[in-house]
Amino acid sequence: NAGVTQTPKFQVLKTGQSMTLQCAQDMNHNSMYWYRQDPGMGLRLIYYSASEGTTDKGEVPNGYNVSRLNKREFSLRLESAAPSQTSVYFCASTETGTPVGGYTFGSGTRLTVV
Amino acid sequence: AQSVTQLDSHVSVSEGTPVLLRCNYSSSYSPSLFWYVQHPNKGLQLLLKYTSAATLVKGINGFEAEFKKSETSFHLTKPSAHMSDAAEYFCVVSSGGYQKVTFGTGTKLQVIP
Repeated sequence: NAGVTQTPKFQVLKTGQSMTLQCAQDMNHNSMYWYRQDPGMGLRLIYYSASEGTTDKGEVPNGYNVSRLNKREFSLRLESAAPSQTSVYFCASTETGTPVGGYTFGSGTRLTVV
Repeated sequence: AQSVTQLDSHVSVSEGTPVLLRCNYSSSYSPSLFWYVQHPNKGLQLLLKYTSAATLVKGINGFEAEFKKSETSFHLTKPSAHMSDAAEYFCVVSSGGYQKVTFGTGTKLQVIP
C-alpha cells in the first residue's frame, strides 16, 4: 500500500543510548516532517524537510538530528536519549511545500527511554 | 500568532446519535483548517480540510465541518455515530508556512452501544 512507512514500531532505550528512527514514503512527496505526540499536548514539530537536500528545525528540535537521505527517506536520530524523549514519534509527508493539502502520516514509533 | 482550542477533551455519545466536536481557532492570516482522526495505535488520517472555498466541508465517513469566521470556529459533526467512530480527533490550523501548523490537544470520542 502506498503511504509512509516507519520503523521500528516500538523501542525501549536506556538513558544515554542512541538510535535512529527510519521513515520512507512512496508517494513522490517533496516535503517530510517529524512530529512527537505527548498526552494532552497534541503534535509538536521536531524537524522538517521542505525538499530533498534541505532540513530545518521545528518547535522542539533539541536532542534530535535529522537526515534527508533522498527524496523518499527522512530519518530522525537521538544521539543521547533522555527520559523526556519518551513519546510517540510520527513521520509525515506532503506533496507540496506547505501542508495545505493535508499530511499523510505513518503509523508511529513508540519510544520509551528508561 | 495562531492557536487552536478543542473545547472538550472527551465526548461520549450513544450509537446512532449526533456527534459534535468543537474547535475554536485564532490566526492573524486566512487559515486553512483540518480535522484528523487517530484510531488506537494508528497514525493520523485526514478527515476533511477547509482551504477558503465552501464554508461547509464534507469529509470521509459522513463527517462534515463548517467554517464560521465570525465565531472563529470549525466544529466537526456527524448525524449518526457508529461504533467505528470511536477514536481521537484533532483540529489543526495552518497559516501556510512550514512551522505555522498548530495541532489541537485532541478530543477522544467514545461511542456507547
